[in-house]
Amino acid sequence: DIQMTQSPSSLSASIGDRVTMTCRATQSISRYLNWYQQKPGKAPTLLIYGASNLQSGVPSRFSGSGSGTDFTLTISSLQPEDFATYYCQQSFRTPHSFGPGTKLEI
Amino acid sequence: EVQLVQSGAEVRKPGESLKISCKGSGYNFTNYWIGWVRQMPGRGLEWMGVIYPGDSDITYSPSFKGQVTMSADKSISIAYLQWSSLKASDTAMYYCARRESGWNAQFDYWGQGVLVTVSS
Repeated sequence: DIQMTQSPSSLSASIGDRVTMTCRATQSISRYLNWYQQKPGKAPTLLIYGASNLQSGVPSRFSGSGSGTDFTLTISSLQPEDFATYYCQQSFRTPHSFGPGTKLEI
Repeated sequence: EVQLVQSGAEVRKPGESLKISCKGSGYNFTNYWIGWVRQMPGRGLEWMGVIYPGDSDITYSPSFKGQVTMSADKSISIAYLQWSSLKASDTAMYYCARRESGWNAQFDYWGQGVLVTVSS
């Protein structure tokens, strides 16, 4: 199975900050990488698919990049509603494993 | 509007059986894979497997194969996840999600989740 790691596990930031978090796969997954946001008590929502494609309705301050084994999610200017946990997921080979998450805190 | 509506919270004892559901609407249910994702209390997301309602083709994660059974009734647009003998370690939130039909297989719509509590 392909294992996913994320760093950091938690991140403190302020409104207006630019933040970047990373996701790494144990083998090349081309660009089959998705990012989800989960707020407490809620289902995850899709932010980015195919490494860099913004899901419809997601604000443009979110962006993704990377290919192969290393990927990043960037939020250009943090808003209050962005404080949440972020998960990456590979969809290259089943099982389509998730990373352990990065918790973004104020 | 695409919606996935899941059944309500469940409380069971160890050894009991359970079947939870996920009803799709606002799209052609037959033509999209439905996935199941487990989230244990305070933990991350785990990909359990996917089912294609059109022909009930299923791919299980090795971690969940033999532990759960996925099924679907395309005539009523419902996918199911069931256990024959629950364990305390099955206590978790279970989400269903629609897998987008394009090249990347991302989960683009999610149900609200079903909290399953297994306790004696």
